[in-house]
Parts: sequence; structure tokens; C-alpha cells
Amino acid sequence: EPEVTQTPSHQVTQMGQEVILRCVPISNHLYFYWYRQILGQKVEFLVSFYNNEISEKSEIFDDQFSVERPDGSNFTLKIRSTKLEDSAMYFCASRTSSGSGNTQYFGPGTRLTVL
Amino acid sequence: GEDVEQSLFLSVREGDSSVINCTYTDSSSTYLYWYKQEPGAGLQLLTYIFSNMDMKQDQRLTVLLNKKDKHLSLRIADTQTGDSAIYFCAEISTDSWGKLQFGAGTQVVVTP
Repeated sequence: EPEVTQTPSHQVTQMGQEVILRCVPISNHLYFYWYRQILGQKVEFLVSFYNNEISEKSEIFDDQFSVERPDGSNFTLKIRSTKLEDSAMYFCASRTSSGSGNTQYFGPGTRLTVL
Repeated sequence: GEDVEQSLFLSVREGDSSVINCTYTDSSSTYLYWYKQEPGAGLQLLTYIFSNMDMKQDQRLTVLLNKKDKHLSLRIADTQTGDSAIYFCAEISTDSWGKLQFGAGTQVVVTP
């Protein structure tokens, strides 16, 4: 069964450093998402991406964040200058254009630790 | 803004039924979902319901939706130890590009 994959599974970085989190969505999916979950808190929406542009973003997704689909398979989240409060689990999700309840399929997540 | 609320903890004996409750505020919700998260793992979709339905059954899972009260529940029949996990309720509204609004999650602990 096709699945969303994410790399790395765990990333440790120093405050102020740039990180890129990578995702490979399911191959025929057209909508892509990033969410994050700070330890013990709710899963929060960051951004949605469709047709090579951001379609919606949350207040969390400020100028430090960017997303890109550099080729036909990868979808990346870049954090330019990480802060301690960026430490969280980051989930990528994807879905098809219609049907199946607009269901989003999630990857296993990347745990980002900012020291 | 939109909000989704869940009770935080549920303890249930193996073999009994579990009922996890969720309330939401967004009256333009179109789809409502239940996701399961096991320790250290991602979010696994369990089931979903369209907002014009009031019930959906899928093997051991029964979803009930009371749109008037904005109340969603998930019933797990014959709960097993493998059902121990955190269960998230989530909704999508018509005026978004698919932004999922999640509840805080209900930790379900199944005891033998």
C-alpha cells in the first residue's frame, strides 16, 4: 500500500541553524501539507500546498518557514533559523484531489530537537 | 476561531466497548475524522464521516455524528490491548484548502 515517507526520523540542530525536513508524498496525490506537534500538545496545521504554490498557511508559518516541491516526488519544509520553540514532531501529509472523504495520509514524522 | 475538544483520558477493560467523545465549534465542517497515534508513530486514519451522515460503521468502529449539538463519537467494540493509543478527532471546513483542525487527543488505556 502506498505511504507517505519522511526523512530524517530525528534531526538535532543548534539554535539559529537552518534545517530541511523532507517528505515523499503518495505519488498520485496533488495536495500536500505540513503539521507539527509540540510534545504533549495538539497537532497544529502549518501550511497547505497545491499546484506549486501555498494555498493556505497558519500564523505559525512565518517568514522563517518555507516549502518547496523541488521535483516530482519530494516536498520539503525549510526552517531558516531554528529557535528552541521549533522543537516538535513535524508531520507531512498528502491527499488526492477528490473522493475518499478528502482524506489526508500522514507520514511517520520527523522529530526536530533544537538545542 | 474553530475549536475541537476531547476528553483527555479513557481507561477500558479488554473486551469492553470504548466510547471516545469529541465536540467541535465549526458549523461549516464538511468531514470529520478519527486518527490513531501509537507511541512514537505517525497518525493513522481510522475512519471518517461526511457531515450529512449521522452514523458510519466500519468493522469494530462506529462513528456517531450529532450535527445539531456538534458532537462526534467513536465507539470501539471488543476493545483489545492493541487499541491502546491516542485517538484524535479532526475536522475540515468548507472554507479551507483541507486544513485539519485537531483535538488534543484522548489517551485510551486498555487493561487486561
